[in-house]
Amino acid sequence: DAGVIQSPRHEVTEMGQEVTLRCKLISGHNSLFWYRQTMMRGLELLIYFNNNVPIDDSGMPEDRFSAKMPNASFSTLKIQPSEPRDSAVYFCASGMGVRAEAFFGQGTRLTVV
Amino acid sequence: GENVEQHPSTLSVQEGDSAVIKCTYSDSASNYFPWYKQELGKRPQLIIDIRSNVGEKKDQRIAVTLNKTAKHFSLHITETQPEDSAVYFCAALIQGAQKLVFGQGTRLTINP
Repeated sequence: DAGVIQSPRHEVTEMGQEVTLRCKLISGHNSLFWYRQTMMRGLELLIYFNNNVPIDDSGMPEDRFSAKMPNASFSTLKIQPSEPRDSAVYFCASGMGVRAEAFFGQGTRLTVV
Repeated sequence: GENVEQHPSTLSVQEGDSAVIKCTYSDSASNYFPWYKQELGKRPQLIIDIRSNVGEKKDQRIAVTLNKTAKHFSLHITETQPEDSAVYFCAALIQGAQKLVFGQGTRLTINP
């Protein structure tokens, strides 16, 4: 298994544009986490899915952010419209529940100019 | 509220010496405490975790201790090596919300 795969690795976009980040889970994992990492705020959990169902989205900053799991192995995080303050590294991670190891993807470095 | 405090934010030690990173948490019901290591430009990776039914766990040069009464847990790295240089994150599982809350991270530098 190649591990958790995120795309793109880097994204530069203009303010106001829509951004879609993608994540492929490790086969067999039933939990999916989206995190945002910045120098100021560290690692923040945005949303957590279990068996394709969103369990906790309290970390999603505002309505501009949305996440989906159209199937058990794939997830998207969408920002519309994007703002410069959204610039960060976005990680997704998969695992077997919250009490087990979370396997992180390589991350997507998003820059909104 | 849901809070994990991690100290220090930066730590520099001589190669071969020990390093200790400490975290405190607010949710007394927390029962799962993982530690992640993130090398520069790379993804966080689990290095060790501890559950609330034990007070200490070791894995070669790494150990974690847990004091549930005081609500704090610590990472100990002995005989440090240059490849230990990284940012280390502690985390605690918030039982009610069923989510992991991470500390702010500690940048550890091992000086040769």
